[in-house]
Amino acid sequence: NAGVTQTPKFQVLKTGQSMTLQCAQDMNHEYMSWYRQDPGMGLRLIHYSVGAGITDQGEVPNGYNVSRSTTEDFPLRLLSAAPSQTSVYFCASRIGADYGYTFGSGTRLTVV
Amino acid sequence: AQRVTQPEKLLSVFKGAPVELKCNYSYSGSPELFWYVQYSRQRLQLLLRHISRESIKGFTADLNKGETSFHLKKPFAQEEDSAMYYCALNKAAGNKLTFGGGTRVLVKP
Repeated sequence: NAGVTQTPKFQVLKTGQSMTLQCAQDMNHEYMSWYRQDPGMGLRLIHYSVGAGITDQGEVPNGYNVSRSTTEDFPLRLLSAAPSQTSVYFCASRIGADYGYTFGSGTRLTVV
Repeated sequence: AQRVTQPEKLLSVFKGAPVELKCNYSYSGSPELFWYVQYSRQRLQLLLRHISRESIKGFTADLNKGETSFHLKKPFAQEEDSAMYYCALNKAAGNKLTFGGGTRVLVKP
């Protein structure tokens, strides 16, 4: 039982490049979310999913896409990286209502 | 809209002293409230849920619906409590967890 696994741990991109941040969980959790963490701003919700095939936008969705083809995986795609997307990205999951979220170890992304 | 405010960015206390981290929220419905802790460069870990009313690592938090607060308290701080603490709110049965800006706690020896 690995919990929530994020890859890669670190990434440097050039402006305009695209990439996918991977997130996988092996706990059969229905709910999954992506957050970005920036100094002084806490964590802000990018996109979330309440089950396979169902996704919705969070607080800061612009520049990011998601899909949920399986219960286990919830990748986050950066379409055309910008320096403003330099951040630490966390994926989280939970089994359902009344339960806390389990977080991944994060991906530190730098866009130059 | 749901919002979480943590008014203190930094709390510095001496070992053995009490510590209280403030959290205020705005939400018109019935919220789920959480406290998460993040030790240096580690992932966030769930510390408390209001619904379970448990005490973890000596920390407690009481939901005050009248004051819309969910302050975190510990009577005797330890050096290992130094970390970043986040208060978070989720509308009941929802999946949009909203975080406060976080409070950094520094426990000095």
